[in-house]
Amino acid sequence: DTGVSQDPRHKITKRGQNVTFRCDPISEHNRLYWYRQTLGQGPEFLTYFQNEAQLEKSRLLSDRFSAERPKGSFSTLEIQRTEQGDSAMYLCASSLWGLAGATSTDTQYFGPGTRLTVL
Amino acid sequence: KQEVTQIPAALSVPEGENLVLNCSFTDSAIYNLQWFRQDPGKGLTSLLLIQSSQREQTSGRLNASLDKSSGRSTLYIAASQPGDSATYLCAVGLFSGGYNKLIFGAGTRLAVHP
Repeated sequence: DTGVSQDPRHKITKRGQNVTFRCDPISEHNRLYWYRQTLGQGPEFLTYFQNEAQLEKSRLLSDRFSAERPKGSFSTLEIQRTEQGDSAMYLCASSLWGLAGATSTDTQYFGPGTRLTVL
Repeated sequence: KQEVTQIPAALSVPEGENLVLNCSFTDSAIYNLQWFRQDPGKGLTSLLLIQSSQREQTSGRLNASLDKSSGRSTLYIAASQPGDSATYLCAVGLFSGGYNKLIFGAGTRLAVHP
């Protein structure tokens, strides 16, 4: 396994269009996170999944954003009716948590990101 | 509300210098602290993770320290090289709601010139 992968790496769209990003976590990682990073800033938490359950969503995740992880493996992040303010790098991370008998730090491993530009 | 600040925002040094990047946080009740490297247009690479019970971690030319009581961490880079040029991000982990929520600083942009 080569780590967390994201697709596409770059996306240019026109305002008002819908876009969908995909994240494939490290195999057997049960937690998956989405972050958004704007230019010159650190990443900001959007949401996270444990297996297929979405357990927390940030207030940054407006009604136009929806994330899924249907089988507890890959995840998709969809943005509907994109706005210029949605332009950012969208980062995905995964971690392994809660193995019986194992010490877990919930260390997150990040993917390369998807850079979205909304014209 | 936890806030993470990194100073300086940008740093330019000649090759070979030892340097220190600073990170401060407002709430000392942290789970862990992590330093990441980010190359332009790329994702994050974890450099060092310090648990709240630890004082420092070392990896090669990198050494990170943690002082929870004062809300500070430093990343020390020895004998800097042009390949070290990148943005360095500090992230505080808050174990809240059953998961480790990372709060990031804005980063320090490092340029090491030959």
